[in-house]
Amino acid sequence: QVTLRESGPALVKPTQTLTLTCTFSGFSLTTGGMCVSWIRQPPGKALEWLARIDWDDDKYYSTSLKTRLTISKDASKNQVVLTMTNMDPVDTATYYCARTVVTISYYMAVWGKGTTVTVSS
Amino acid sequence: QSALTQPRSVSGSPGQSVTISCTGTSSDVGGYHYVSWYQHHPGKAPKLMIYDVNKRPSGVPDRFSGSKSGNTASLTISGLQAEDEADYYCCSYAGSYTLVFGGGTKVTVL
Repeated sequence: QVTLRESGPALVKPTQTLTLTCTFSGFSLTTGGMCVSWIRQPPGKALEWLARIDWDDDKYYSTSLKTRLTISKDASKNQVVLTMTNMDPVDTATYYCARTVVTISYYMAVWGKGTTVTVSS
Repeated sequence: QSALTQPRSVSGSPGQSVTISCTGTSSDVGGYHYVSWYQHHPGKAPKLMIYDVNKRPSGVPDRFSGSKSGNTASLTISGLQAEDEADYYCCSYAGSYTLVFGGGTKVTVL
């Protein structure tokens, strides 16, 4: 059974860097074809895809946020980490990670429950 | 990219059918066969309902079906049930390895 769990600070101050961790089980990021994405949803707004990391360490970012995002993995710990610099109140959102299928397709097969981050001084 | 356009809400009585539209452009929905749909009950993890426009993952009832015509994708729920009441989001590949989501549709079972 595939599960994912997001963790990180509930509150960050403007200009700080946010670090979120996705801890997963039921698959391995050393296996070909395995990928993990991060997605967020500000209150009352649409979901927004942020970044993806693949089993071969290829990384892809949202065009609008790529200067602020870094995604990395520790396959031995079954973890994916997302950092976002220069946080702003508009970055207040629930952040999700998801196992992503990209083999002749592209979709999020299994999601975590999300972690809520508020940006406020 | 701009978010895909979905109706804010749709409703139906138990047993009826409802259809949710998802309108994009030729750069996303119209250009690729990679449209997926997600069901989200608040406070829970979103759940994949449809991928590749019209494929259902194992375990998703066949009451859920997907289709696409031009720049618009659709999710139809036939035989609406109380547990179908949730938010639904469409998602499309938008090129350059990126994805774009719709604004979400709240389905209400009357």
